[in-house]
Amino acid sequence: EAGVAQSPRYKIIEKRQSVAFWCNPISGHATLYWYQQILGQGPKLLIQFQNNGVVDDSQLPKDRFSAERLKGVDSTLKIQPAKLEDSAVYLCASSSQAGENEQFFGPGTRLTVL
Amino acid sequence: AQKITQTQPGMFVQEKEAVTLDCTYDTSDPSYGLFWYKQPSSGEMIFLIYQGSYDQQNATEGRYSLNFQKARKSANLVISASQLGDSAMYFCAMREGPRSGNTGKLIFGQGTTLQVKP
Repeated sequence: EAGVAQSPRYKIIEKRQSVAFWCNPISGHATLYWYQQILGQGPKLLIQFQNNGVVDDSQLPKDRFSAERLKGVDSTLKIQPAKLEDSAVYLCASSSQAGENEQFFGPGTRLTVL
Repeated sequence: AQKITQTQPGMFVQEKEAVTLDCTYDTSDPSYGLFWYKQPSSGEMIFLIYQGSYDQQNATEGRYSLNFQKARKSANLVISASQLGDSAMYFCAMREGPRSGNTGKLIFGQGTTLQVKP
């Protein structure tokens, strides 16, 4: 069974530029999560999808971050414009349902904003 | 308020010895789950073990066991017979129940870096 795929693995941009990250969850997983992990901290949820609907985006900085999961499968997270403090690892995770005991994580995208 | 607290930024353990990583949590929801994840330098989060708030026995998975003390709100991870490959960052996480309005998201602690010495 293929795991959660993310791309790119690394991205370096300058502040005020735009960037997009892609995630493909495990096949059949209805729930998809995007977490932000700043260096030295634990991951923090940005947005959660159930199929193609948003369940929780309370911690998403909506003035610059957006995310979509149009067909209920893969998802894109965008930052526009990026700030220095957005430098972090962006982790995508999926689970078969929202209450499942295990969330499967992808390898993450490490973003550096200069 | 911090919901998950890991007070040990870094730990050292000798190979083949046991080590305990501390985790305390705070919630008023009677239904919750506690998780431990391992994050090696490659960056991926690897699920290790899960404990439900209503589980009567402490969870065990191979060399990993969770010392669940509900009254003290602690969920310490015990790794027995440490191996060099156990060197990584370890995160404790909690998922609150539906009464808290939780929809499945995990709340993570700050992490503990474990280094296993040969």
